[in-house]
Amino acid sequence: QVQLQESGPGLVKPSETLSLTCTVSGGSMNDYFWSWIRQPPGKGLEWIGYMYYSGSTNYNPSLKSRVTISIDTSKKQFSLKMSSVTAADTALYYCARYSSDYNGYFDHWGQGFLVTVSS
Amino acid sequence: QSVLTQPPSVSGAPGQRVTISCIGSSSNIGAGYDVHWYQQVPGTAPKLLIYDNTNRPSGVPDRFSGSKSATSASLAITGLQPEDEADYYCQSYDISLSGVLFGGGTTLTVL
Repeated sequence: QVQLQESGPGLVKPSETLSLTCTVSGGSMNDYFWSWIRQPPGKGLEWIGYMYYSGSTNYNPSLKSRVTISIDTSKKQFSLKMSSVTAADTALYYCARYSSDYNGYFDHWGQGFLVTVSS
Repeated sequence: QSVLTQPPSVSGAPGQRVTISCIGSSSNIGAGYDVHWYQQVPGTAPKLLIYDNTNRPSGVPDRFSGSKSATSASLAITGLQPEDEADYYCQSYDISLSGVLFGGGTTLTVL
């Protein structure tokens, strides 16, 4: 069974860069897309972006200028970097496996990792 | 318009049937993209409930069913149980956004 686990700093200062890593276990990263999704406290889900195991990416246009997703299949990890964060970026960040490009679904999720942006 | 609209809340008594709608547009559901549904019990990660409009992953009870038509989709839950109390989200792909779109979510209360 595929399992995902987010990790990283839980507190980031405004204007700095948020960095999270997702470690995948129980399955191969090949042939799938690997994604980040976030959920502000008390609010709904927002897709951040995804990366194919071979490196192509697709980002939410509203976040594209600040977001980079990278992948290291040898370590079975993928990462999120979000620059110039503000309090509005405070959220529960989920990593998830996305089944296919354009028309896929998220079939495996991490437990979520709370990132707070505050000085 | 790149939006999937869900009712903020629905409720029903145990044993009853409820439906949750997901209204899209010609740039997402109406463009032929599939609709997927997630259940999020408070304090936990979302869980895939229905994929490709009508399919249930292994382990999801057949009390949950999905349908899709034109520019909208629906999730139906029959024989409501207290453990069904959760937030439900629809998700699709949007060609104008060139990306993934989630509905705003619906809170189901079992009375």
